[in-house]
Parts: sequence; structure tokens; C-alpha cells
Amino acid sequence: EVQLLESGGGLVQPGGSVRLSCTASGFTFTTYVMHWVRQAPGKGLEWVSAISAGSGVSTYYADSVKGRFTISRDNSKNTLSLQMNSLRAEDTAVYYCAGARSLIQFDYWGQGTLVTVSS
Amino acid sequence: QSVLTQPPSVSAAPGQKVTISCSGVSSNIGNNFVSWYQQLPGSAPRLLIYDSDKRPPGIPDRFSGAKSGTSATLDITGLQTGDEADYYCGTWDNSLRNVVLGGGTKVTVL
Repeated sequence: EVQLLESGGGLVQPGGSVRLSCTASGFTFTTYVMHWVRQAPGKGLEWVSAISAGSGVSTYYADSVKGRFTISRDNSKNTLSLQMNSLRAEDTAVYYCAGARSLIQFDYWGQGTLVTVSS
Repeated sequence: QSVLTQPPSVSAAPGQKVTISCSGVSSNIGNNFVSWYQQLPGSAPRLLIYDSDKRPPGIPDRFSGAKSGTSATLDITGLQTGDEADYYCGTWDNSLRNVVLGGGTKVTVL
């Protein structure tokens, strides 16, 4: 059974940092593109970032997070991470990790972790 | 403002059919496959359609996708109360070098 389990969310002050993690099981992690997708309260889905399969040599970011967020993967631990710096109120959202066979789809989804940016 | 345009809502009676449109441009839908996602209330999204018209295992054939030019559609036939959810389309944009998503469509079963 495929499982994606996010962790690391919580309350953080504006300008602060947080690191999200996503642990994968049930599929061959190294062969999948991995994404982060977020959803602000009551809003639609917003793609955040993606990292290529294998060594993760290629990374991609939405303009709204470019320069502030960093995606990475540790294939030895089947883990995806998102380092989020210089956080703003508009970054408040549920963050989902998703595994994909390509850049243009999300095959598997986690249950999400809530990040709240507030003083 | 989403890159892909979807109607905010559609509705129909049980057993009927709804069609959700997703409009883009040549740099996204026009040159890439489209995927569709269903998000039930309080749940994470799940993949319904990939490669514009393919269903993953376990997705009923009541759900079907199509693409023509710079637009895509998701059809839901034999509508059930359990289909009440938000539906999103997505693809890659060659110019932005980003995944792009639609704003979502809420399906209501009357």
C-alpha cells in the first residue's frame, strides 16, 4: 500500500523558518518525481515545487516561493523535504507531498500538514 | 488568478452527466497531457485522469477525460451523491516551466 506521511507543520512567526518532511513507502521512491502542493484555507490547490526522480538534479519552484523555499530528497531514507524560509502570512496552508511518474501529474498524495504563519 | 480556467461550479441531478471544462493556451494544455483530481470534503486530492484520458486502477469508468487543442474536459456520468467534491485540472507549462493548476470546480448533486 502506498503511503506518504508529511510532518513538520505548525505555527511559525512571519519571517521564520520551518522544514517539512514527507516519508514515502509502498512504491519505488527513487523512480518518482516528487512534488509539494499547498492549499490555503478555503482556497484551491497551488503547486509549490517539484524535484526530479533519481538524484534530484533538477528542481522547480512556483514564482511565489522561489528564493525562499528549497526542495530536496534523501533516497536512502525515502524522504522528501521542503525547507521554508522568510515565511509570510500568505504561506499559511495545508502542504501536501505527492509522488508522480512525471512532472505533469500527481499519482499519490499524502494527507497533508498544516503550516500557519502568524504572530 | 489560475493559469488554467475552470468553471467555479456545476450541478446536476443523480444519474445525470456533468462536464467540467479546463481552458489553457498552447504553452500548457496545447502541448502537454492533462490530469484531473478529485478532492472530497475534508480529504486529500486523488488522481482521477492522467495523460488526458487514462484512468488509474480503481477509478470507475463513469469518469472520463478528453483533450482538444488548448482545452480539456472531464465528464462524470451516472452522477452519484458521493461525487460531490472539488475537481481540479493540471498540466505543465513549457513557458513558465511550472506545473499549472485550474482554480477548481465544485460539483453539486441536486
